[in-house]
Amino acid sequence: EVQLVESGGGLVQPGRSLRLSCVASGFTFDDYAIHWVRQAPGKGLEWVSGIGSNSGGIGYAASVRGRFTISRDNAKNSLSLQMNNLRADDTAFYYCARMGRTVAAGIYYYGMDVWGQGTTVTVSS
Amino acid sequence: QSILTQPPSASGTPGQRVTISCSGSSSNIGSNPVNWYQQLPGTAPKLLIFGNNQRPSGVPDRFSGSKSRTSASLAFSRLQSEDEADYYCAAWDDSLSGYVFGTGTKVTVL
Repeated sequence: EVQLVESGGGLVQPGRSLRLSCVASGFTFDDYAIHWVRQAPGKGLEWVSGIGSNSGGIGYAASVRGRFTISRDNAKNSLSLQMNNLRADDTAFYYCARMGRTVAAGIYYYGMDVWGQGTTVTVSS
Repeated sequence: QSILTQPPSASGTPGQRVTISCSGSSSNIGSNPVNWYQQLPGTAPKLLIFGNNQRPSGVPDRFSGSKSRTSASLAFSRLQSEDEADYYCAAWDDSLSGYVFGTGTKVTVL
């Protein structure tokens, strides 16, 4: 079964750090870019960060740039998100998602086609 | 703050045709394909439409997508009760060098 499983969420005080993990199974992990997407309570989806299949093409949302670091270990089929200097507005449900690709009429298209179940991060004193 | 704008809500009766809009700019929808995601209550999002109008395997053909310049639309040809969910458009943004989601639309089946 193709799946992603996140872990590492929890309650943390403002200014502290947390490291999220995402483990993949059921597909060739190093063929795909993987992203982090978060959803604050009662709010919409927000892209956080993404990393290419060979750890290139790293990008961050402006809201987390300089505080979060994404990385991956293809040998372990795993993705990490190191979150430093956490703020209250980082409180959210964090999903990892595979950026799948499909060819249609000779053109490659990309979309987040596999999602994990998510992990909750709560930043509060 | 999302830069793809969607109406906060939409509704219809079973069997009715419903359309959701997504308004962006030249750096996102105007330059890149649009995806749509469905999020049922309490679950992770699911890819519904990719490449503006392509359906992944298993997605019913009552869902269709379209794009025109800097706007996109998701249509439900025959709304069903199980379609009650939140729907998000999304696209890569060349100016931000990042992926952007729409503000989301909650679809209610009356």
